[in-house]
Amino acid sequence: DVKVTQSSRYLVKRTGEKVFLECVQDMDHENMFWYRQDPGLGLRLIYFSYDVKMKEKGDIPEGYSVSREKKERFSLILESASTNQTSMYLCAIFSGTSYEQYFGPGTRLTVT
Amino acid sequence: AQSVSQHNHHVILSEAASLELGCNYSYGGTVNLFWYVQYPGQHLQLLLKYFSGDPLVKGIKGFEAEFIKSKFSFNLRKPSVQWSDTAEYFCAVNTGGSARQLTFGSGTQLTVLP
Repeated sequence: DVKVTQSSRYLVKRTGEKVFLECVQDMDHENMFWYRQDPGLGLRLIYFSYDVKMKEKGDIPEGYSVSREKKERFSLILESASTNQTSMYLCAIFSGTSYEQYFGPGTRLTVT
Repeated sequence: AQSVSQHNHHVILSEAASLELGCNYSYGGTVNLFWYVQYPGQHLQLLLKYFSGDPLVKGIKGFEAEFIKSKFSFNLRKPSVQWSDTAEYFCAVNTGGSARQLTFGSGTQLTVLP
């Protein structure tokens, strides 16, 4: 079974803090994704990576950056958290075997 | 850029009623289509997917979807819903990008009353 884990289920941060969200996969999948999920807006792609040290912007990259130093780990970074970044953040991997994305449990981030 | 529309934001049904959730996409080329479901407190998981071939696709838990190319639609159906189908449903499209990125619709919350 594909397993995607995220470092925290719930996180509360203050405005202006630097925030790291970690995502780890247990297989050798190349493609990893970060989405945010908001009511009425569905999932929106923030960034994705197709290999180590490779990254591409998604639809809403502003205010975010990512890091992929090892194949199994893909980090989302909020350089200076703002209240409009309060959201559910989902990490996903793409399986070339089943041709589908597998999702982690999500991190609910609240910025106060 | 492609987009996905789910016109029903919240659907309320009684058990045993039939379900149809609409999904339309805007892209003129080849698409791969997906329906994902998120049960309360659980991960997003795949219900079914369409790549090519028979436009009627069957998925898990009795769900099916029909791809109608002329209508740019991929509607989700179930003949008889159960209380356990209460969840949020997302339609998604991949237009063949190298990283297999998906564009999601805004989701439909389905509530099934016992």
